[in-house]
Amino acid sequence: EVQLVQSGAEVKKPGATVKISCKVSGYTFNDYYIHWVQQAPGKGLEWMGLVDPEDDEIIYAEKFQGRVTITADTSTDTAYMELSSLRSEDTAMYYCATKDYWGQGTLVTVSS
Amino acid sequence: DIVMTQTPLSSPVTLGQPASISCRSSQSLVHSNGNTYLSWLQQRPGQPPRLLIYEISNRFSGVPDRFSGSGAGTDFTLKISRVEAEDVGVYYCMQGTQDPRTFGQGTKLEIK
Repeated sequence: EVQLVQSGAEVKKPGATVKISCKVSGYTFNDYYIHWVQQAPGKGLEWMGLVDPEDDEIIYAEKFQGRVTITADTSTDTAYMELSSLRSEDTAMYYCATKDYWGQGTLVTVSS
Repeated sequence: DIVMTQTPLSSPVTLGQPASISCRSSQSLVHSNGNTYLSWLQQRPGQPPRLLIYEISNRFSGVPDRFSGSGAGTDFTLKISRVEAEDVGVYYCMQGTQDPRTFGQGTKLEIK
């Protein structure tokens, strides 16, 4: 059974950095890209970027370029998304996803 | 970036009746390899998105056959032959042909 298990909810102050993990099981980690998607409260889905665990190729959405870092650790089958210079508008649920499966989501709340 | 436009944004449906959601892309989603990477996702209230349909018309594992996808090029449709209570939620189309990946705004399916 394929599973993407994300780390728990985070509360951060404006200007801080958050790092979310996504542990994959049930398939060969290198076989598929890992995507990260943001969903603000009551809003739609916004693609942030992807990593190819096979060769570490990374693509970021222009909106998040410069603030987001996506990585993949093939030794632990875990992907990470780090978002810096947090502001209130970054309060959202963050999802990792492969081609066919999604993680359960990680709620990040940015509040002073 | 490819813009994905869904209609309607809200769809009140009677149980047992059909429902249809349209998705139009701002440019052709036919990839250079000949495939068309148009997917449909379902997000039930309080849940992460899940894959329903991939490459226009292929139902993902475990998806009931009352869901079907069709279309080509820039125009695509998701149909539910007979809506059930568990189908309530928001439906998104998503293109994977070109980076950045982009989503439609979402269509909220609710029961009349």
